[in-house]
Amino acid sequence: DAKTTQPTSMDCAEGRAANLPCNHSTISGNEYVYWYRQIHSQGPQYIIHGLKNNETNEMASLIITEDRKSSTLILPHATLRDTAVYYCIVRPHTNAGKSTFGDGTTLTVKP
Amino acid sequence: GAVVSQHPSWVICKSGTSVKIECRSLDFQATTMFWYRQFPKQSLMLMATSNEGSKATYEQGVEKDKFLINHASLTLSTLTVTSAHPEDSSFYICSATMSKSNTEAFFGQGTRLTVV
Repeated sequence: DAKTTQPTSMDCAEGRAANLPCNHSTISGNEYVYWYRQIHSQGPQYIIHGLKNNETNEMASLIITEDRKSSTLILPHATLRDTAVYYCIVRPHTNAGKSTFGDGTTLTVKP
Repeated sequence: GAVVSQHPSWVICKSGTSVKIECRSLDFQATTMFWYRQFPKQSLMLMATSNEGSKATYEQGVEKDKFLINHASLTLSTLTVTSAHPEDSSFYICSATMSKSNTEAFFGQGTRLTVV
């Protein structure tokens, strides 16, 4: 799996948008960008994934640059419950479970 | 979404004893299950891949005789930590996929193991 680089930590005010960046400059053509988050002492939770087009679901939006070397996860209206470690993973579409988790970004949403 | 459940959520055991952790897919059949370990303030590390009806594939550095994995059915995989020691204390997490082509991995809630 391609290596990803994320900031160690970020803060966000409650109600504001949280924008979490991820660099993946060595991504291959067949690799997707996946985002998971892990709330303290729980298992990871799938958020969203994409190949090259921007994606949106009920949880978040994913913006992937045209060259696919970086992406941004957007939580449009962050709440205190969004405080978690967010992991950006790039991997092929198949064999979904064998993911390589980096250190992630610790997002703290503050009142 | 699909649900993966682990049992127990936490366990405390004495050094030298064995502990079994169960991972169940509640509403789908899991062709493949994965076991991860997570030490405090660290990321998840893949330990092994478990396929129903066959031997598990272990990652480099993971002792297969210490971490016994059994995937007896399409809805259940178990991880047994044998002769546990304090250094085995960790957060163990499983995930499951419906098939190799599936885009999502569904994670259990994790099991906190403390060896005293």
